[in-house]
Amino acid sequence: NAGVTQTPKFRVLKTGQSMTLLCAQDMNHEYMYWYRQDPGMGLRLIHYSVGEGTTAKGEVPDGYNVSRLKKQNFLLGLESAAPSQTSVYFCASSLGGRNEKLFFGSGTQLSVL
Amino acid sequence: GDSVTQMEGPVTLSEEAFLTINCTYTATGYPSLFWYVQYPGEGLQLLLKATKADDKGSNKGFEATYRKETTSFHLEKGSVQVSDSAVYFCALRYNNNDMRFGAGTRLTVKP
Repeated sequence: NAGVTQTPKFRVLKTGQSMTLLCAQDMNHEYMYWYRQDPGMGLRLIHYSVGEGTTAKGEVPDGYNVSRLKKQNFLLGLESAAPSQTSVYFCASSLGGRNEKLFFGSGTQLSVL
Repeated sequence: GDSVTQMEGPVTLSEEAFLTINCTYTATGYPSLFWYVQYPGEGLQLLLKATKADDKGSNKGFEATYRKETTSFHLEKGSVQVSDSAVYFCALRYNNNDMRFGAGTRLTVKP
């Protein structure tokens, strides 16, 4: 029963490098999300998807891109990493409806030097 | 826009003490309200929820009541344990697209 799986768990980048974070869920959820967690700021939504082939911007989308080519996968890309993107990134998925909870992955710790 | 405000931490309590973590929200409609817990090195997991006014969510000895008149959803537990040490997040969900989180409150329980 894997739930939501994120890879990698840790990554260190140099400024200007690019990378992709992978999120996979096995619960057949339509909705998937990428959040970043920073001290004192809680979780902030970067991008989300309401189904295969769809993406939309969240609260803090600048510097990130996403793709949802398959229903079970949601990719987060950083084209040119900046130190301000040092954070813990969480992927989540859910069923539709405002009463439904989010299922979270275990997070990716990203440091940009 | 919709938002959640939590009491600032950290909170340090002795085992068996009473816990209250305050949460208030701002929303244009009638959101569902949630408390999540995050243990070290893990993602968030649902602790409890309430979907309409006057509902009480409860789980593992924790409880919170959806108070529309005060726009609040305070988390309480009568007797905390060392294993309750974690970060607690209040959140609201108003539509399918987003769940808004508070800043989180770190709780440390000492033996």
